[in-house]
Amino acid sequence: QITLKESGPTLVKPTQTLTLTCTFSGFSLSTSGVGVGWIRQPPGKALEWLALIYWNDDKRYSPSLKSRLTITKDTSRNQVVLTMTNMDPVDTATYYCAHRPSPGSWLDYWGQGTLVTVSS
Amino acid sequence: DIQMTQSPSTLSASVGDRVTITCRASQSFSSWLAWYQQKPGKAPKLLIYKASSLESGVPSRFSGSGSGTEFTLTINSLQPDDFATYYCQQYNSYPWTFGQGTKVEIK
Repeated sequence: QITLKESGPTLVKPTQTLTLTCTFSGFSLSTSGVGVGWIRQPPGKALEWLALIYWNDDKRYSPSLKSRLTITKDTSRNQVVLTMTNMDPVDTATYYCAHRPSPGSWLDYWGQGTLVTVSS
Repeated sequence: DIQMTQSPSTLSASVGDRVTITCRASQSFSSWLAWYQQKPGKAPKLLIYKASSLESGVPSRFSGSGSGTEFTLTINSLQPDDFATYYCQQYNSYPWTFGQGTKVEIK
């Protein structure tokens, strides 16, 4: 059974760096083809894809946020970490991580999400 | 970037109705499209992948079709549990993009 869970601060100040951790079980990020992605959703708005990391450490980023994002993995701890620098109130959103079962595939399992508010 | 445009933005329907949601892409691609259902305060749930393949455990009243620039999600005989917001997403190329969502409301 695949599960994912996001963790991190619920409140950050403008200009600070956000660090979110996705802890997962039921799969290994050392398995060929597997990936973990991050997606966010501002309150009342649509979903926005942020980044993805693959089993082979290949990384993909949203071009509009690429300069602010870093995605890393810790295979031994079953974790994926997303950092976002220079946080702004417009970055207030629920942040989700999700499992991608193979290259060329979709996101099949999602975490419950974590709401991050950016405010001074 | 491939822009995904859903229509309608809101849909009012009754239990038992057949509803169709359309997702149009700004560029043509094959079948690399997924549909998700999201309820308030919950994570999106995968319904359809590869445009028309039903995810395991999803009721057969949900179906997807299309390719190129036009894709549809159809719900046959709408059930009370189906009132939610639906999103399409292309994973044909990076950056992945989502539609703006279609909210299915009770009429």
